[in-house]
Amino acid sequence: DAGVIQSPRHEVTEMGQEVTLRCKPISGHDYLFWYRQTMMRGLELLIYFNNNVPIDDSGMPEDRFSAKMPNASFSTLKIQPSEPRDSAVYFCASSPRQADNEQFFGPGTRLTVL
Amino acid sequence: AQSVTQLDSHVSVSEGTPVLLRCNYSSSYSPSLFWYVQHPNKGLQLLLKYTSAATLVKGINGFEAEFKKSETSFHLTKPSAHMSDAAEYFCVVGGGYSTLTFGKGTMLLVSP
Repeated sequence: DAGVIQSPRHEVTEMGQEVTLRCKPISGHDYLFWYRQTMMRGLELLIYFNNNVPIDDSGMPEDRFSAKMPNASFSTLKIQPSEPRDSAVYFCASSPRQADNEQFFGPGTRLTVL
Repeated sequence: AQSVTQLDSHVSVSEGTPVLLRCNYSSSYSPSLFWYVQHPNKGLQLLLKYTSAATLVKGINGFEAEFKKSETSFHLTKPSAHMSDAAEYFCVVGGGYSTLTFGKGTMLLVSP
């Protein structure tokens, strides 16, 4: 198994631009999670899906952030417009069972907004 | 409700000496507990997990952790540190069908 796949691995963009981060979970996993990691705030859960349906998006910082999961093998996290304070590492993780079970993390996307 | 406290933000050891990373948890349910490791510029990797079986859990790379319900602790140990163990370690609690709660992390520094 290839594990959780994220793309791109690095993204540098300018303030105001739209950014789309992509994730392919492990096949057969029913849960998908998006996290953001910064030095100041640590690891934050942004949103998670169960069987492609968003369950809890209370961690999404503001309306500029949106996430979709059109099918079981693909999810996107979009930031529009991006701001310098969005600079962080964004992780996608998937889990085969309930939301409180072990999660398998992707390598992350390092986003820099200038 | 659940929470997790990692008692040290940084731990420094010499290569070949024991490692102890401390973690206390709080949970309204019978908890699942995990330790994850994150090497620089990498994703989080599962080291070990406790899910109400044996209280002493063995993980990868010689790490182990002991679940102590009376102390609400789940400390991570390794008998002899290696340079490659230098990383950030996260204690995580789950249970009650809510999502995982991550600790703030402990940075392990290993000197030659």
